[in-house]
Amino acid sequence: GQNIDQPTEMTATEGAIVQINCTYQTSGFNGLFWYQQHAGEAPTFLSYNVLDGLEEKGRFSSFLSRSKGYSYLLLKELQMKDSASYLCAVRDQSNKLIFGAGTRLAVHP
Amino acid sequence: DGGITQSPKYLFRKEGQNVTLSCEQNLNHDAMYWYRQDPGQGLRLIYYSQIVNDFQKGDIAEGYSVSREKKESFPLTVTSAQKNPTAFYLCASSNPPGGANQPQHFGDGTRLSIL
Repeated sequence: GQNIDQPTEMTATEGAIVQINCTYQTSGFNGLFWYQQHAGEAPTFLSYNVLDGLEEKGRFSSFLSRSKGYSYLLLKELQMKDSASYLCAVRDQSNKLIFGAGTRLAVHP
Repeated sequence: DGGITQSPKYLFRKEGQNVTLSCEQNLNHDAMYWYRQDPGQGLRLIYYSQIVNDFQKGDIAEGYSVSREKKESFPLTVTSAQKNPTAFYLCASSNPPGGANQPQHFGDGTRLSIL
């Protein structure tokens, strides 16, 4: 079956760094996406990885290891507005997105 | 501005009633998707369409129906056969992947509840 695992909840301090992990087992692999979703709102696209390695985009970076079925999202210089759910999604061999349940991040002062 | 518009934002359904959720996009995207989101669960795919006049069932299509008569529109009908319709419904669109980064863009969602 297809499975994407990520922690349910995390907490971190304003100004700190947090790493959100995602492991996956899917039917084929055509890229991994990270989305941010504030409560009651639409998910917004953060990053995309299809090759192994690190992709950096401002305060956010995402890493992928295809051999390990593993990705992480790294958030630096945390701000209160970063409190949200972070969704990991893998595009499978039929080009459908398979989503994890999301990680709810709470940033506190 | 280009984007995806879902309406209504909130919807209430009575027993035995069919309701239709609207999704319109002006991004000129070929592919459109409907997801359901329940608390503590990931987004689950209901239906998707990669081209006008064609659509496929997702993982939880039972009790739902769709149409794709126009490129920009992909309405979802929640039928009375769907016994647990209370959820947050999200519509998304993208261009078909071609080896490049083609993220799905989401609308603001419709929250459906049973009266």
